[in-house]
Amino acid sequence: NAGVTQTPKFQVLKTGQSMTLQCAQDMNHEYMSWYRQDPGMGLRLIHYSVGAGITDQGEVPNGYNVSRSTTEDFPLRLLSAAPSQTSVYFCASSYDGGSYNSPLHFGNGTRLTVT
Amino acid sequence: KQEVTQIPAALSVPEGENLVLNCSFTDSAIYNLQWFRQDPGKGLTSLLLIQSSQREQTSGRLNASLDKSSGRSTLYIAASQPGDSATYLCAVPGGSTLGRLYFGRGTQLTVWP
Repeated sequence: NAGVTQTPKFQVLKTGQSMTLQCAQDMNHEYMSWYRQDPGMGLRLIHYSVGAGITDQGEVPNGYNVSRSTTEDFPLRLLSAAPSQTSVYFCASSYDGGSYNSPLHFGNGTRLTVT
Repeated sequence: KQEVTQIPAALSVPEGENLVLNCSFTDSAIYNLQWFRQDPGKGLTSLLLIQSSQREQTSGRLNASLDKSSGRSTLYIAASQPGDSATYLCAVPGGSTLGRLYFGRGTQLTVWP
């Protein structure tokens, strides 16, 4: 049972480059989300999705793009990387978005450095 | 906007002690509260989820309580062990908006033998 799988685990980008962080879950969860974790700032929601074809912005969406074409996958795209996007990125999923009775399941994270 | 605060930010205790971690939130219109554990270099693992209608939830040596009216939750760890060393985070939904969770910055716990 893989749970939530994120790839890659580590990535170094140069300013201005673009890339996609992959996230896949095998638990048939409707809800998926992306967070970034920064020292002193805690976890902040970037984008989330309550089902295939439906996405919405979180607290810090600027510079990121998402789409949800299948229930299983929720990729996060960095359009033009900036040093301020250096962070650890976590993908999470749950049955009902964590707002009712379903706990949130996290991947192991992608550590991104932008130089 | 929901604001979540965790106290203390760090805690270092000898093995065997019982300890309490605190979490407070500003918007009490929540459906539930979750406690997570994060080990260095890893993602978060859900420990306990307390529904708004519950006052307590227990799992092994862990007990979490919730007081919605005062905007507070505590995580009680009994007979702490070195393996409990990790960062503990609490999270609550942002009011009635499905899908938005707000996290505290966590309490970093070290249990030494």
